[in-house]
Amino acid sequence: GIQVEQSPPDLILQEGANSTLRCNFSDSVNNLQWFHQNPWGQLINLFYIPSGTKQNGRLSATTVATERYSLLYISSSQTTDSGVYFCAVEGGTSYGKLTFGQGTILTVHP
Amino acid sequence: KAGVTQTPRYLIKTRGQQVTLSCSPISGHRSVSWYQQTPGQGLQFLFEYFSETQRNKGNFPGRFSGRQFSNSRSEMNVSTLELGDSALYLCASSKSSGRYNEQFFGPGTRLTVL
Repeated sequence: GIQVEQSPPDLILQEGANSTLRCNFSDSVNNLQWFHQNPWGQLINLFYIPSGTKQNGRLSATTVATERYSLLYISSSQTTDSGVYFCAVEGGTSYGKLTFGQGTILTVHP
Repeated sequence: KAGVTQTPRYLIKTRGQQVTLSCSPISGHRSVSWYQQTPGQGLQFLFEYFSETQRNKGNFPGRFSGRQFSNSRSEMNVSTLELGDSALYLCASSKSSGRYNEQFFGPGTRLTVL
């Protein structure tokens, strides 16, 4: 099946810093989503981005489908950005099946 | 619009028992997917239902089963619980309309098996 790798596994920042999270995937995809998991476990949708670039406030994402990677940019980070960020992809005829990366644990210090 | 809801939110069971978890999708969504999250294995896909039919299944033993009702609500059942079944169980819904399949997740059910 499709493989998803996220890097870095851990990231520690000072408030106000910028960061880039990367997601590599092993095959063509129909769907790519970025999530932030809150402390209670719920996955919050950040972006649905199988290709192209999107921005939402301080967050933006780019997916280059032909090169099989996606990037999540966080600018001017805040302590509330702390948590785990997941990239997940749905490939081929894998109806309803998202394959998740192992996540990036982001810690933002004041 | 109400989000995806899951009940119960927390559950404690003992080995050998069985458990049923419920998921109500966003109104108008016809696809429901289930996932298991554990510290060791991460987030893993269990199965997906669309219009009461299981379209896709992950690599889990037959003790894990599910179903979907005509109103798109879904249940999953785990029989003969094992300690390793302790996990956060998440369900997600999507419109599953053509190739636009953004999934939206519920808050999860945290299952502890003693």
